[in-house]
Amino acid sequence: QITLKESGPTLMRPTQTLTLTCTISGFSLSRSGVGVGWIRQPPGGALEWLALIYWDETKRFRPALQSRLSITKDASRRQVVLRMTNMDPADTATYSCARTTGDGYFDVWGHGTLVSVSS
Amino acid sequence: SYVLTQPPSVSVSPGQTARITCGGNDIGNFRVHWYQQKPGQAPVLVVYDNDGRPSGIPERFSGSNSGVTVTLTITRVEAGDEADYYCQVWDSGGDHVVFGGGTKVTVL
Repeated sequence: QITLKESGPTLMRPTQTLTLTCTISGFSLSRSGVGVGWIRQPPGGALEWLALIYWDETKRFRPALQSRLSITKDASRRQVVLRMTNMDPADTATYSCARTTGDGYFDVWGHGTLVSVSS
Repeated sequence: SYVLTQPPSVSVSPGQTARITCGGNDIGNFRVHWYQQKPGQAPVLVVYDNDGRPSGIPERFSGSNSGVTVTLTITRVEAGDEADYYCQVWDSGGDHVVFGGGTKVTVL
């Protein structure tokens, strides 16, 4: 069974750096074509793609947020880590990770984790 | 960057057909994917590559891309189909993922 599970802080202060971990099972981060993406959704809002990392370390970022984002993977630990700097209340959202097999869509999603940003 | 436009809401009676559109510049050149998201749940892929249906998705869900119009069609709508639906593409020009704004389907 393929699963992804997000973990990280639930409450952040403005200007802090968010670190989220996506732990996978049922597939390999080393397999050709495989990637893991991060998507967020503000309360009552739409899905917003943030970043994507592929098996070969290729990375892609949402242009408007590229300067604040970084993404890494550790295949042996089966984890993908997203970092977002300078958090703001507008970044309050549910953050989810999802798998792609290289065909441009996400076929399996984690349940997401709500991150609130407040002073 | 590329923009996908969806109607905010669609209402349909049980047993009828719901059609959700997704618009974008030259959208015929894209492979469009659709997700269903029920309240409090993770999105689920219901259509990929314009008209592909993942295993386990009912045949009532279908997609089309005429080159001008992209549509997710749900036939014989059930109460359980009430959800938000999002279209998505890979914008190869910008090399990134784009989601539409979502359409809330209400079953009357």
